Amino acid sequence: DTGVSQDPRHKITKRGQNVTFRCDPISEHNRLYWYRQTLGQGPEFLTYFQNEAQLEKSRLLSDRFSAERPKGSFSTLEIQRTEQGDSAMYLCASSLYGGVASNEQFFGPGTRLTVL
Amino acid sequence: AQKVTQAQTEISVVEKEDVTLDCVYETRDTTYYLFWYKQPPSGELVFLIRRNSFDEQNEISGRYSWNFQKSTSSFNFTITASQVVDSAVYFCALSEAETSYDKVIFGPGTSLSVIP
Repeated sequence: DTGVSQDPRHKITKRGQNVTFRCDPISEHNRLYWYRQTLGQGPEFLTYFQNEAQLEKSRLLSDRFSAERPKGSFSTLEIQRTEQGDSAMYLCASSLYGGVASNEQFFGPGTRLTVL
Repeated sequence: AQKVTQAQTEISVVEKEDVTLDCVYETRDTTYYLFWYKQPPSGELVFLIRRNSFDEQNEISGRYSWNFQKSTSSFNFTITASQVVDSAVYFCALSEAETSYDKVIFGPGTSLSVIP
């Protein structure tokens, strides 16, 4: 399968715990995006990377949220001291940017987080 | 102000009926893309269509058709002869050239139920 993959698909945690999600983009894609989707809403942009550089993080919801893409391939999204309001689906997408590439985003299956 | 509006929160139709999902968008950019995504109960976002702002031709793909009208900033989606498998949440979305198409802005979604 050469699509975007995310791990885990589901995560249940207790309030106050830290969680980390992983996203593996399509292999030749240089841009990677994180979105959050709460119940009954459309996905909301959080942050994105060009290779290993994080180009925007102003939309990260608080300083408890951080994302990395250390080698320009897979990315992790960490939430520290989780709160019940963090319960949501976290979606990852990747795209090929530059030249004649269309920068079209391809989405992964998401990680569904439940904070008890 | 919401950039993508989907006024219909929930729609129910009986199988084989036609149904139109409305989408109204707002942008100052002259170059943008519009999208429709389907999200079945499994949660994965399924890409349906991307339309460039310069291409106002309507498109038909099987039972699906899209009506893009720049004059009214609308990009409506019609399913002909609906089937139970069409039951899902449908999202209209926008990405703009001024952000290099990096931020996909989603509408709140329309939940479609097709009753057998």
